Formats: sequence, structure tokens, C-alpha cells
Amino acid sequence: AQTVTQSQPEMSVQEAETVTLSCTYDTSESDYYLFWYKQPPSRQMILVIRQEAYKQQNATENRFSVNFQKAAKSFSLKISDSQLGDAAMYFCAYRGSNTDKLIFGTGTRLQVFP
Amino acid sequence: DSGVTQTPKHLITATGQRVTLRCSPRSGDLSVYWYQQSLDQGLQFLIQYYNGEERAKGNILERFSAQQFPDLHSELNLSSLELGDSALYFCASNRQGAWGGYTFGSGTRLTVV
Repeated sequence: AQTVTQSQPEMSVQEAETVTLSCTYDTSESDYYLFWYKQPPSRQMILVIRQEAYKQQNATENRFSVNFQKAAKSFSLKISDSQLGDAAMYFCAYRGSNTDKLIFGTGTRLQVFP
Repeated sequence: DSGVTQTPKHLITATGQRVTLRCSPRSGDLSVYWYQQSLDQGLQFLIQYYNGEERAKGNILERFSAQQFPDLHSELNLSSLELGDSALYFCASNRQGAWGGYTFGSGTRLTVV
């Protein structure tokens, strides 16, 4: 069975600085999709960024980028120029190519200090 | 507004009771997923429906059941409620073949007292 591990329960960063959140996963599939979701205090789940496993190029969405290392089964999220509004829980998620089900990690709580 | 509507937003009920959570998916989405998020935990997959039929089942208790209606809205029924069922219940939807992630509703906060 596939699993997603987020080993950092909490992280903190100074405003305008850069922070990286870690995620590893375990799968025997070769084709799959990876996601980062943000959950602010409002509890809404917001898609931040997504990556297709067959693409070698790392996805980027404005200040958010990923470092996808397929062989290492690692999918870290880098947030550049951190803003106070980035403070939230961040969840890494995996979806296999033959299923629609998302498997989530346990989350990393990010604090942003002014 | 994500386009996925969940009602009610909050629900407080007593142990042993039964409740129904409702979800309307985003327009055009045929799949509906239900997830449970206990306090400060990750999201646990409960069940998926696609165009009215059950597609996949996760860690859903026998006391819980769901269905998807012809108009594609879905209901999650929770019965014989226990204190441990207190959680945030999310509904999400997506389109067939879309590799993107889901669109989530804002959740229903269930408190069992």
C-alpha cells in the first residue's frame, strides 16, 4: 500500500525568507501524481501545486516550487519570499495512476514570523 | 467559493444519534469523495462515488454509509455516534480523467457530546 510521510510536524520561517517542507512516499507504481495542499485556519483545503511523476521538470507556481526526486521518492515544497498568509498546515498527497483516491501525509504546520 | 458545497457547516449532536452530511459537487464533476479529519490529523479517505455508484472504499466504519443521488449530490450518514466521531468531514469532487487534485468543500465540523 502506498504511504506518505511528512517528518516535520512543525516548521517556522521569517517573513521574506525561504522554507522547505519535506515529504517522502512509498509506492511500487511508476506512474502517479503528487500534490501539496494548504489548510489555513479557515480549514479550507487549497491546492498549492501538483506534479506528474513522468515529468522530470519540477513544478512551479509563483513563490511555490517543488523538488521532485523520483528515485528517492521525495517531494519537497519550497516556499520563497514567505508571507504571513502562508502560515497554515501543509499536506503532501499521493494519487496513483489507476485510482482517484488521494493519500495524505499527516501534515506540517508552518508558522511565519514577521 | 470552491464550487463544492457542504452543509451544514457545524453540527453538534449527542452520542448515539444519527446525522446526515450533505455535499453538492462542482458543476460537471461526477466523482465525490468523503474524507474525515480528526483533530490536527491528516485526512483519512472514507469513500468515493462516481456517477451514482460506489467506486472505492477506505477506512469507513460500518456505522457510516453514503450515497450519491441522480443529481450527483451526495450524503454521508453517520449513525450510533460516538465521541471519537467528532471530526471535520470533507467532501471533494473532480472530473473523470482529470489528473489534477480534488476541489474540496469547506467541510462540516461534527461535534459529538
